[in-house]
Amino acid sequence: QLQLQESGPGLVKPSETLSLTCTVSGGSISSSSYYWGWIRQPPGKGLEWIGSIYYSGTTYYNPSLKSRITISVDTSKNQFSLKLSSVTAADTAMYYCARSVAGVSDYWGQGTLVTVSS
Amino acid sequence: DIQMTQSPSSLSASVGDRVTITCRASQSISTYLNWFQQKPGKAPKLLIYAASSLHSGVPSRFSGSGSGTYFTLTISSLQPEDFATYYCQQSSSTLWTFGQGTKVEIK
Repeated sequence: QLQLQESGPGLVKPSETLSLTCTVSGGSISSSSYYWGWIRQPPGKGLEWIGSIYYSGTTYYNPSLKSRITISVDTSKNQFSLKLSSVTAADTAMYYCARSVAGVSDYWGQGTLVTVSS
Repeated sequence: DIQMTQSPSSLSASVGDRVTITCRASQSISTYLNWFQQKPGKAPKLLIYAASSLHSGVPSRFSGSGSGTYFTLTISSLQPEDFATYYCQQSSSTLWTFGQGTKVEIK
């Protein structure tokens, strides 16, 4: 059974860089056809797609965040990562990682709450 | 960006009721439309993909229909475990977008 698990600091200071990692178990991140991505949800609000990466390194980013985000993959560790720079309070959210195939996100991590505060 | 608009934003229903949620896209997305269920404190779960295909393990009381710009999610007989928030999501463009959500509450 495929499982995804987010990890990273729960508290980040304003203007700093948020860094999260998603560890994939029960399957290979190098499998063809799958994209690996990040979605976030501010407290009490809706879902926002952040971006996705293919195991080869091809990325798709939300244009509204593109200047601040980097998504990378480490096939040797079966992990992919998110970096979001210059964070503000508006970046406070639950961050989810997910696997997608043909535009369908079928497996999600449990999520990790990141709070931006000094 | 393709905007996704759900209606209603919330609804109250009783166990056994038939419930329909609507999702409209700001431009045609063919059938690149997915539905998710989210319960408090939990990650979203995929219910329906490609507008009308039931994801593995999802009860058959859930169904989806539509194409182009108009889509519906129907729960044929609401069960206690179905009280949750439902989101539609389009994957037609390279920028995936979600509807604002519909909260289904107990009447």
